[in-house]
Amino acid sequence: KAGVTQTPRYLIKTRGQQVTLSCSPISGHRSVSWYQQTPGQGLQFLFEYFSETQRNKGNFPGRFSGRQFSNSRSEMNVSTLELGDSALYLCASSFLSTETQYFGPGTRLLVL
Amino acid sequence: ELKVEQNPLFLSMQEGKNYTIYCNYSTTSDRLYWYRQDPGKSLESLFVLLSNGAVKQEGRLMASLDTKARLSTLHITAAVHDLSATYFCAVDMKTSYDKVIFGPGTSLSVIP
Repeated sequence: KAGVTQTPRYLIKTRGQQVTLSCSPISGHRSVSWYQQTPGQGLQFLFEYFSETQRNKGNFPGRFSGRQFSNSRSEMNVSTLELGDSALYLCASSFLSTETQYFGPGTRLLVL
Repeated sequence: ELKVEQNPLFLSMQEGKNYTIYCNYSTTSDRLYWYRQDPGKSLESLFVLLSNGAVKQEGRLMASLDTKARLSTLHITAAVHDLSATYFCAVDMKTSYDKVIFGPGTSLSVIP
């Protein structure tokens, strides 16, 4: 069974630009969660989607948004990038939100 | 304040020894997760603990949850070098934001 895939794996953007990251969950998984990891703030929860609905959201500004498609693939978008958005963005999928999550390799975003 | 603490933050132990990592959290929760992260890699789910008194074991790792004490433990038995990694606990808080809050991580180094 294929694992969680994230694209792109690495990305360099400049301040003010916007970026879209993609996550393809394991086949059959309906829950997709996104996390941000930085050296300063550690791991932080961004949002969780289940069957195309955002179920939970972390404490991030409105520049961070996401969506989930009918095939459970998810995208997250960050608009008006700031230097502090440089991070590893992780996506995880599970069949139900109470079950074990499987993580993708992450997208490493650098904002210059 | 919503807070998840881990003790210790750094742990160096010899192969064959036992040790416990502690995860304390500040508010009501009914779900706690343990993850492992190898340097430069993504997260790997270890355990999902869903109720008071829950205990789960996998190999040399055993996790438990005491919701009354707001405490989870990750016990390592007869450590081996392959267990060297950073271990995170994360707590599902009953709030509007920051639904999942991560601890700062415990960096474990097992010395042959």
